[in-house]
Amino acid sequence: DTAVSQTPKYLVTQMGNDKSIKCEQNLGHDTMYWYKQDSKKFLKIMFSYNNKELIINETVPNRFSPKSPDKAHLNLHINSLELGDSAVYFCASRRDSHRETQYFGPGTRLLVL
Amino acid sequence: QKEVEQNSGPLSVPEGAIASLNCTYSDRVSQSFFWYRQYSGKSPELIMSIYSNGDKEDGRFTAQLNKASQYVSLLIRDSQPSDSATYLCAVNRSNYQLIWGAGTKLIIKP
Repeated sequence: DTAVSQTPKYLVTQMGNDKSIKCEQNLGHDTMYWYKQDSKKFLKIMFSYNNKELIINETVPNRFSPKSPDKAHLNLHINSLELGDSAVYFCASRRDSHRETQYFGPGTRLLVL
Repeated sequence: QKEVEQNSGPLSVPEGAIASLNCTYSDRVSQSFFWYRQYSGKSPELIMSIYSNGDKEDGRFTAQLNKASQYVSLLIRDSQPSDSATYLCAVNRSNYQLIWGAGTKLIIKP
């Protein structure tokens, strides 16, 4: 059973479209994250939710809107997609402790044409 | 100054040798330190975590932490071609957030 799952794994779309990525974790973790990894492989935190509450909201265009219906799910909606949004988006989850590691989903590879 | 710094590499090491990966961090109050491995096209996976000064060994991997000098390193003994990957250093900022280095690309040459 996959601990952190994401759908879809691949997403190819045109500029200007709106798309959503979904994430689910079955680890019972309280905190979930969205990261963006660009072609240079740098992992950039975008958002984090703890028990459905937004706790980290980095400098991200407001075209990106996260939503957490419950603590096992964290979705990411992107409006008006731009070429620069092309990247791999990783979902992760973690228990609430500085000693706990983050577990990553398999990633969603987004290509905006 | 970046909060977590790593040499981007690539670091090329002959098979069977020791690979040494380094990471420095700026926040003195950081308590937890992690090394992740990321193969091309895959997601990061945890290799080692370390919380106290000194060495921590797990198989061929040894993590070293020096809080006074604010660096953490990862040694890989008897390097194998399968160790070729990007290694990411992460440092906790709080109970909720990790700060990530840019990663070091390691190449093990047969």
